[in-house]
Amino acid sequence: QKEVEQNSGPLSVPEGAIASLNCTYSDRVSQSFFWYRQYSGKSPELIMSIYSNGDKEDGRFTAQLNKASQYVSLLIRDSQPSDSATYLCAVNNQEGRQLTFGSGTQLTVLP
Amino acid sequence: SAVISQKPSRDICQRGTSLTIQCQVDSQVTMMFWYRQQPGQSLTLIATANQGSEATYESGFVIDKFPISRPNLTFSTLTVSNMSPEDSSIYLCSVEPGMTEAFFGQGTRLTVV
Repeated sequence: QKEVEQNSGPLSVPEGAIASLNCTYSDRVSQSFFWYRQYSGKSPELIMSIYSNGDKEDGRFTAQLNKASQYVSLLIRDSQPSDSATYLCAVNNQEGRQLTFGSGTQLTVLP
Repeated sequence: SAVISQKPSRDICQRGTSLTIQCQVDSQVTMMFWYRQQPGQSLTLIATANQGSEATYESGFVIDKFPISRPNLTFSTLTVSNMSPEDSSIYLCSVEPGMTEAFFGQGTRLTVV
């Protein structure tokens, strides 16, 4: 069974700090990895995708992938109260082309 | 990214009735996906809808309960049949136009009373 696990949270960080969100996956053939942000009552929105080992930076967001350890993380620098949301890790193995989602980590950035 | 219009955005329904949710995409896509998000939970895939063929259902979901139509490459419907309070969830339509990322509609918040 393909599984995606996230640190349970909730996670609280002060404004301006770095928020670190972690995700592990069980299927070694997974090829594509995504981070979605979901505000309460809204649908998920894609914020980062990563396909190869290493770091990928986009503004204040950095995704890190380590396929050997089956681990993907999201760092949010200079966290803002508007970053307060649930962050979902999703993994795709390109067999069924659908995504498997983790349970999500609720992040609160305290002003 | 694709623009996905989903309706209704929310509904309150009586148990035993059915609700059909519509999903319209602004471009042609091969696959459309229907997810359910129960309160406080993550997303669970219900089924994959391919144009011109029967939908493929995930374990725990059956066609009689969640019939799906896919009449063309830009539109799909999901029906939640014979509803019970346990069906109260957010239902989400998604697509992956040419890539593996999923883009979501705004979701349908269903409450069954």
